[in-house]
Amino acid sequence: AQSVTQLGSHVSVSEGALVLLRCNYSSSVPPYLFWYVQYPNQGLQLLLKYTTGATLVKGINGFEAEFKKSETSFHLTKPSAHMSDAAEYFCAVSDRGGSYIPTFGRGTSLIVHP
Amino acid sequence: GAVVSQHPSRVICKSGTSVKIECRSLDFQATTMFWYRQFPKKSLMLMATSNEGSKATYEQGVEKDKFLINHASLTLSTLTVTSAHPEDSSFYICSASLGDGYTFGSGTRLTVV
Repeated sequence: AQSVTQLGSHVSVSEGALVLLRCNYSSSVPPYLFWYVQYPNQGLQLLLKYTTGATLVKGINGFEAEFKKSETSFHLTKPSAHMSDAAEYFCAVSDRGGSYIPTFGRGTSLIVHP
Repeated sequence: GAVVSQHPSRVICKSGTSVKIECRSLDFQATTMFWYRQFPKKSLMLMATSNEGSKATYEQGVEKDKFLINHASLTLSTLTVTSAHPEDSSFYICSASLGDGYTFGSGTRLTVV
């Protein structure tokens, strides 16, 4: 069984500030981990993913996430927030990749203040 | 990259009618597709998993006779909401499995009046 917990349904930051969105997972096997972004009335766009190898993963739009097995975490960060980063962010976990049903967190709404 | 095209993006229908939502993989073959429903301010709820050429697997609590899924080819899966009611109004998203991840359609906003 697998599960995802995203701490904080809303995160509010000022433009230019650090963005930190938290994600903890549980999985019975080495997980595949994903972060997706969703803008209003749109589908999900992949930001980044961890499958194997390097634990620090860099994605699009300046985002990155680090897989920490000991902490069962995959937190998403960005050094400097832009207004355009305001969106809903979803963390997801899958056992062994795309043929398996992913489990999504409840999402975190990122609010960016000018 | 792999693209999934979902159509229509918005649809308004009368109560009691049926609505078909299409999901096409444009540059790859999708043997497995997932259909999700998303309520306002909520995460994605998996409705069913469809595999090309076989019957869809529905999640517990999802009415298979109401939400008909057809995955007749490697590039097309459809979701038909039959005898739609206002409570079926929602945002529906399809997703196709890739080797090590997933790609999503742009979603369909269904409003039943």
